[in-house]
Amino acid sequence: GQNIDQPTEMTATEGAIVQINCTYQTSGFNGLFWYQQHAGEAPTFLSYNVLDGLEEKGRFSSFLSRSKGYSYLLLKELQMKDSASYLCASMDSNYQLIWGAGTKLIIKP
Amino acid sequence: ETGVTQTPRHLVMGMTNKKSLKCEQHLGHNAMYWYKQSAKKPLELMFVYSLEERVENNSVPSRFSPECPNSSHLFLHLHTLQPEDSALYLCASSQDFQRGGHEQFFGPGTRLTVL
Repeated sequence: GQNIDQPTEMTATEGAIVQINCTYQTSGFNGLFWYQQHAGEAPTFLSYNVLDGLEEKGRFSSFLSRSKGYSYLLLKELQMKDSASYLCASMDSNYQLIWGAGTKLIIKP
Repeated sequence: ETGVTQTPRHLVMGMTNKKSLKCEQHLGHNAMYWYKQSAKKPLELMFVYSLEERVENNSVPSRFSPECPNSSHLFLHLHTLQPEDSALYLCASSQDFQRGGHEQFFGPGTRLTVL
């Protein structure tokens, strides 16, 4: 079956660094997406990885290892506004997104 | 209006009611999606339309009926729903369907409560 695993909740301190892990098992693979969703709002796109390695975009970076079925989202210099849920999704061979349940990130001052 | 809009934002309905959710995208995209989001569960893909043709229907009960009159508009018609259908219903669009790398843009969702 198809499965995406990510932690349910994480807590971090303002100004620190946090890494949110995601493991995936999908029928085929056409890339890995990360989205951010603030409470009561729409998910918004953060990153897309299809090749192994690290993609950096400002304070956010995303890493992919296809051989391990593993990705992580790295958030640096955390700000209070980064408190949100972070959704990992793998695109399968039919180009459908298979979603994780999301990681709720709580930032403390 | 920009991006993806959805109306209504909140809806409370009885099990015998009929209602419709509306989605409009202003991005010139060719693919549109309906998702169901329940608390602490993954997003569930319900329907996909590409160039106004339905291309995916993921075993969704017939009490949910989608309609895509053109590439900018998507409806979800609801009738005789059950309390377990209470959830956030999200609409999304993307440039194309069955192309890697094209992110989906989401609307703010309709919070549906079935009494």
